[in-house]
Amino acid sequence: EAGVVQSPRYKIIEKKQPVAFWCNPISGHNTLYWYLQNLGQGPELLIRYENEEAVDDSQLPKDRFSAERLKGVDSTLKIQPAELGDSAVYLCASSLISGGYGNEQFFGPGTRLTVL
Amino acid sequence: AQSVTQLGSHVSVSEGALVLLRCNYSSSVPPYLFWYVQYPNQGLQLLLKYTSAATLVKGINGFEAEFKKSETSFHLTKPSAHMSDAAEYFCAVSDRSGGSNYKLTFGKGTLLTVNP
Repeated sequence: EAGVVQSPRYKIIEKKQPVAFWCNPISGHNTLYWYLQNLGQGPELLIRYENEEAVDDSQLPKDRFSAERLKGVDSTLKIQPAELGDSAVYLCASSLISGGYGNEQFFGPGTRLTVL
Repeated sequence: AQSVTQLGSHVSVSEGALVLLRCNYSSSVPPYLFWYVQYPNQGLQLLLKYTSAATLVKGINGFEAEFKKSETSFHLTKPSAHMSDAAEYFCAVSDRSGGSNYKLTFGKGTLLTVNP
């Protein structure tokens, strides 16, 4: 079974440019998460989807970040415009259900963004 | 809000030696607890999780962790380190109840180095 797929794996852009990250979760997983991982830190949740619905986007900086999961499968996270401080790894994860009995989240390899 | 403290951002052991990575959580109600491992340029992989069954939890790759309520700890151990164990390890917690039992709060991570 394929794991969580993310692309691109690496992205280098100039500040003020837009950038988008794509995630394909494990087949059948209805819950999808986007995390931000700064250097030397643990991941922090940006947004959680249940199917197409963003049920927790409280940590998403909405002035420049947006996300979508139109058909309840793939998801795209966008930054426009990017700032120097956005340089980090963006992780996507998925799980069968949201919450419950210590549900396991499966992580993709991440996209490493460098903003120059 | 939940928080997790991982003591020691870097632990170095010799091959064959005991591995001990420390994790303490702050919660009046025992949460769900997880240990994840992250190899370079890869996503996080679940090692083990505590969900209120046995307090000694066995995971993959010979790792285990013991939940100690009195110490609010969930330390990760492995009797004999192998070179392939070199990676970053993250402890994470999630609430048991309410609408946030999906939300993982991660520690800052501990980088494990294994010396030959």
